[in-house]
Amino acid sequence: DVKVTQSSRYLVKRTGEKVFLECVQDMDHENMFWYRQDPGLGLRLIYFSYDVKMKEKGDIPEGYSVSREKKERFSLILESASTNQTSMYLCASSTLGATKETQYFGPGTRLLVL
Amino acid sequence: QQPVQSPQAVILREGEDAVINCSSSKALYSVHWYRQKHGEAPVFLMILLKGGEQKGHEKISASFNEKKQQSSLYLTASQLSYSGTYFCGTEVSGTYKYIFGTGTRLKVLA
Repeated sequence: DVKVTQSSRYLVKRTGEKVFLECVQDMDHENMFWYRQDPGLGLRLIYFSYDVKMKEKGDIPEGYSVSREKKERFSLILESASTNQTSMYLCASSTLGATKETQYFGPGTRLLVL
Repeated sequence: QQPVQSPQAVILREGEDAVINCSSSKALYSVHWYRQKHGEAPVFLMILLKGGEQKGHEKISASFNEKKQQSSLYLTASQLSYSGTYFCGTEVSGTYKYIFGTGTRLKVLA
């Protein structure tokens, strides 16, 4: 059974803290993605990676960075958390050629920044 | 760049039909549809690869008109289990970038 796991289901952080969200997939997928989900805005792409050490900006990369040192692991970093980064964060993975392949999602991390 | 879905939300009675639309300002070469139940991750429903293609999944089907850069999801004789948020998704041509629509919240009442 395919699996994407995220390090935490719920996180509470203070403004200005550095926050790490980790995602691990066991499907040997090349592509990995980080999205944030907010009511009325759907899923918005923050960053994605199509290979180890490769990263590309999505539509809303400001305030975030990512790291992909191993194929199975993709980390999202909030360098200095702010209250407007309170959201649900979803990680996904897919094989190359997403035209035909679906995306597989992790369970999500609900982040609250106080 | 994010595809726009309409309606934003819809409430149905069991047995009623619904249509969810997904429109893109950019060319679409394929469209995926997902459903997300409350508190869960999105789950893949179906993929449409060709213009004009229509696919079905139980009583849920979809069409894809690449000329109009639109896709529609049809839910027939809705069941309580259809409640959730529906997303269309697509890969931006020439990239590995994958984006989702704005989402449609659907609630089916008994």
